Amino acid sequence: KQEVTQIPAALSVPEGENLVLNCSFTDSAIYNLQWFRQDPGKGLTSLLLIQSSQREQTSGRLNASLDKSSGRSTLYIAASQPGDSATYLCAVGDSNYQLIWGAGTKLIIKP
Amino acid sequence: EPEVTQTPSHQVTQMGQEVILRCVPISNHLYFYWYRQILGQKVEFLVSFYNNEISEKSEIFDDQFSVERPDGSNFTLKIRSTKLEDSAMYFCASSLLGGNTDTQYFGPGTRLTVL
Repeated sequence: KQEVTQIPAALSVPEGENLVLNCSFTDSAIYNLQWFRQDPGKGLTSLLLIQSSQREQTSGRLNASLDKSSGRSTLYIAASQPGDSATYLCAVGDSNYQLIWGAGTKLIIKP
Repeated sequence: EPEVTQTPSHQVTQMGQEVILRCVPISNHLYFYWYRQILGQKVEFLVSFYNNEISEKSEIFDDQFSVERPDGSNFTLKIRSTKLEDSAMYFCASSLLGGNTDTQYFGPGTRLTVL
């Protein structure tokens, strides 16, 4: 059974720093991996989708990498801003339709 | 920009009552999903739906749950007889393509509280 783990559970850094969030999964037979952002009391916003055949995806200050063989993905945020404060969730496309989720990393960017 | 919408934003119900959670997916999307997130826990997959049929469902999605696309725009989740443990945030999502080849777009969620 696929398990998705995110480390750290929480992270607080000063504004302007570059940071890395980690996601690991136990079964490398995945279809894709998505990174989401969740703001308190709100929905889930898709940030990046990496297909199983891809190694990385970039969107603005965000870069996500995927290493299927080691069961790992990282989300790199460059030049962090207070508006980046949110919970970041990693989800693995483990079958044709469903996503298996990590517990998230709660990120606080201090002004 | 098109978005997934959900109503109501918050529903409070008594244990044993039926509830219907409503979603309007993005208009040209073909695949629809329900997920839930119990407070403080991970997001969990419930069900996926395509071509008026359930494509896949999790162990959580038992006989108490049903989904329906009653018209060309709405996608509903019905819980027949709610239990205390059904209290959670319920998210609807849609995607243009299935097979986990496409991004799933999520609605803002419905917070269900069962008393």
